[in-house]
This record gives sequence, structure tokens and C-alpha cells, in this order.
Amino acid sequence: GENVEQHPSTLSVQEGDSAVIKCTYSDSASNYFPWYKQELGKRPQLIIDIRSNVGEKKDQRIAVTLNKTAKHFSLHITETQPEDSAVYFCAAKGRNYGGSQGNLIFGKGTKLSVKP
Amino acid sequence: EPEVTQTPSHQVTQMGQEVILRCVPISNHLYFYWYRQILGQKVEFLVSFYNNEISEKSEIFDDQFSVERPDGSNFTLKIRSTKLEDSAMYFCASSEQPTSQSEQFFGPGTRLTVL
Repeated sequence: GENVEQHPSTLSVQEGDSAVIKCTYSDSASNYFPWYKQELGKRPQLIIDIRSNVGEKKDQRIAVTLNKTAKHFSLHITETQPEDSAVYFCAAKGRNYGGSQGNLIFGKGTKLSVKP
Repeated sequence: EPEVTQTPSHQVTQMGQEVILRCVPISNHLYFYWYRQILGQKVEFLVSFYNNEISEKSEIFDDQFSVERPDGSNFTLKIRSTKLEDSAMYFCASSEQPTSQSEQFFGPGTRLTVL
């Protein structure tokens, strides 16, 4: 089945700097890659996603890139702010089997700390 | 904005007891999921549910687990005989369309503690 690796596990940046989190996936059939932000004690919330028919997507300070050949995708946060501090999870949609819809396989998460 | 809700927020139980975790998905959503997150670890898929039947389940979702949609609003996860290692945060999620076509919205979670 699908396996998602995420690096780094922790990331500390100064306010205003950029942060990059990288993920790799194993199943070439995966076609959907969301990123979730989870603040301490709260639910994961989708911040951006990308589908396999595009290579890059941007939403204000957040961007995601996808390299299908290399099977990796990255989250880029520019002009980081203290409120960006959270755990970020990448995920990949697993392969559909039979009539299944395929489900999200998550990476282990990156704890981002933005220092003022 | 509609949200997925879950009850209880925290459940403490003795090993071997049965627990039922409850979820109310967003009303127009058709696809439902359960995930768990052991403290400090990644979110792990348990099961997906559509059209009143399980679509897919992971290796974690063994015979001790079951899901049900007893009425038009609730979606439940039952653990028949809890083990210490079942202690985790359990998240329910729902989506309007299948994964990759629409966002999965997560509930606030139920923290299960098995003593």
C-alpha cells in the first residue's frame, strides 16, 4: 500500500523567513495530496491540496509543489508568522481498490515553530 | 460554517470494556471516515464508510472495531473490548464527494484513555 515519508520532523524558523516541508510517497497511482495544519489539541484542518494534474498551486503565503516523476511534494510557507506555528501533516490518497474511494495516508508530521 | 462534531470529548474506560464514539458529520456529506492519532504520532486511517457500508478499512480496524450509521445523522465507532493500546485521539471526518474530489473535514476528536 501507500507509504508517505515526511521531513523534517521539527523545523524552527525566524518570523519572516520561509519554511519548506517535504514529503515522498510510494504509490505512483496516488493522485491527491492534501496538507493539514494541526494546532495543539485541535483538529487537523486542510490548508492546501494539489492534484496530480498540476505541478504547483499557490494560496497567498502557502504553496505546494508536486513532482510526480520523483514522487515527492513540498509545502512552502513564505513570510512566516508566529501563528503559523503548528504541526503540519502531508497526506496522499491511496490507490482505489475495487469500488473503494481510496483513503488518505498521512506522513508523521512536522512541528513548525516560528520565533518572533 | 458547518462542522463535524464528536462526543464525548474525552472517554476513560477500563481495559476490556466496550466504548462507542459518536460523530455527527456535516449534513450534506455522504462519505465518512474514522482516523486515530496516538499521542505525538501521525494520523492513521481506520475505516471509510459510504452508502451504509464499509468502503475500505486498514489493518488496524480488526474484528474488535465496528462502525454504524444508526440514523440519518450519527456515525459511530464501537470498540468491543478495549486494549491499552487503543488509547488515542479518534477523529471522525466527512466529505461531500470521494477523496481527491472534495476536502475531508475533521471533527474535534475524542480522546480515549484505556486504563
